[in-house]
Amino acid sequence: QKEVEQNSGPLSVPEGAIASLNCTYSDRGSQSFFWYRQYSGKSPELIMSIYSNGDKEDGRFTAQLNKASQYVSLLIRDSQPSDSATYLCAVNKGRGKLIFGQGTELSVKP
Amino acid sequence: GAVVSQHPSWVICKSGTSVKIECRSLDFQATTMFWYRQFPKQSLMLMATSNEGSKATYEQGVEKDKFLINHASLTLSTLTVTSAHPEDSSFYICSAGSGRSYEQYFGPGTRLTVT
Repeated sequence: QKEVEQNSGPLSVPEGAIASLNCTYSDRGSQSFFWYRQYSGKSPELIMSIYSNGDKEDGRFTAQLNKASQYVSLLIRDSQPSDSATYLCAVNKGRGKLIFGQGTELSVKP
Repeated sequence: GAVVSQHPSWVICKSGTSVKIECRSLDFQATTMFWYRQFPKQSLMLMATSNEGSKATYEQGVEKDKFLINHASLTLSTLTVTSAHPEDSSFYICSAGSGRSYEQYFGPGTRLTVT
């Protein structure tokens, strides 16, 4: 079992729709979770961090964390073509080390 | 967010030569930096943790004698790929945390091609 798992996609949504990205992790003791966006050929860019159960909203992005189910998700409202990228879920393994999922490729169609 | 730079952004070298990549935190001090490698269509793989003033900590399977890491100051870490071979061709990315949270900020990456 991989430490951090994501559906590789591609996930295709129409412009204006809600994109839902999911991630599960294996270490029940994990405390810090992150979503990064990576455009093709570029390095990852931090979108959201979440540390507590529940929802955290930032603009069009909402991160959801459920530690009991070991599940993290990212919702993108009013999806735009510019949101088309690979989204990486990352879990802090301690001492700042991040373990990444394989990423979900999102395609937003105009 | 914090700004991290990398230099060079891309490099082509011949097999057997060494290449040095620099990673700098521009607006904060980073006691810890991380080096990742990413092959096409794959996720980031952590290579090593670079600690200011001490030896780097390498992940399992990463050859420390091949990938030399130096973290001489709170704003600079370097990765040297020694005796590079074509299979070392990859996208190398560094990251740094500001220390106030567990958030990490990535440099723009260095694309290495070994011919």
